Amino acid sequence: NAGVMQNPRHLVRRRGQEARLRCSPMKGHSHVYWYRQLPEEGLKFMVYLQKENIIDESGMPKERFSAEFPKEGPSILRIQQVVRGDSAAYFCASSFSGGGYTEAFFGQGTRLTVV
Amino acid sequence: DQQVKQNSPSLSVQEGRISILNCDYTNSMFDYFLWYKKYPAEGPTFLISISSIKDKNEDGRFTVFLNKSAKHLSLHIVPSQPGDSAVYFCAASSKGSARQLTFGSGTQLTVLP
Repeated sequence: NAGVMQNPRHLVRRRGQEARLRCSPMKGHSHVYWYRQLPEEGLKFMVYLQKENIIDESGMPKERFSAEFPKEGPSILRIQQVVRGDSAAYFCASSFSGGGYTEAFFGQGTRLTVV
Repeated sequence: DQQVKQNSPSLSVQEGRISILNCDYTNSMFDYFLWYKKYPAEGPTFLISISSIKDKNEDGRFTVFLNKSAKHLSLHIVPSQPGDSAVYFCAASSKGSARQLTFGSGTQLTVLP
């Protein structure tokens, strides 16, 4: 009964490279959320996806960031042309449903370092 | 524009005593509140939640209180144990925002043996 799985746990990228972060939700969960935590701050919502659909991307930066949750496979958060300010911990969460009262369960996060 | 605020960045409590962590919110549309616990280099772990139709929810050593008129909630841990030492995040959501969570900045709880 695996929980939310994120990989890689640590990712180092040079400025200008692309970063791909993967998230496999808990079994039976079809709702995925991505959050970012900058140093000394709380988690900030980025995007909410269901299978093949982006439901809410109000927290995503307008440029360089994209997310998908295909019919098969994990959800992917993609950051193009990374900059130092993208260095953060990126957490994925999943839930069974999105509309009612339901807890979101988090993965262990991917720590992105841009050098 | 912080919609969820945890004004105490840190709290130290003696083992066996009560820990009280506080959280304030400004958005009256929030109708579901959660507490998460986070250890370094790990993801947040869900602790306890409360919907806006209740004013108290209890689970073992953890109790969450909600005061809607004051837009305030608190987490009580009793008795506190050294293993409770972690960062505690308050989070809130509303149906209208598709259940995305708005987090506070966290409170580092240290339980002293």
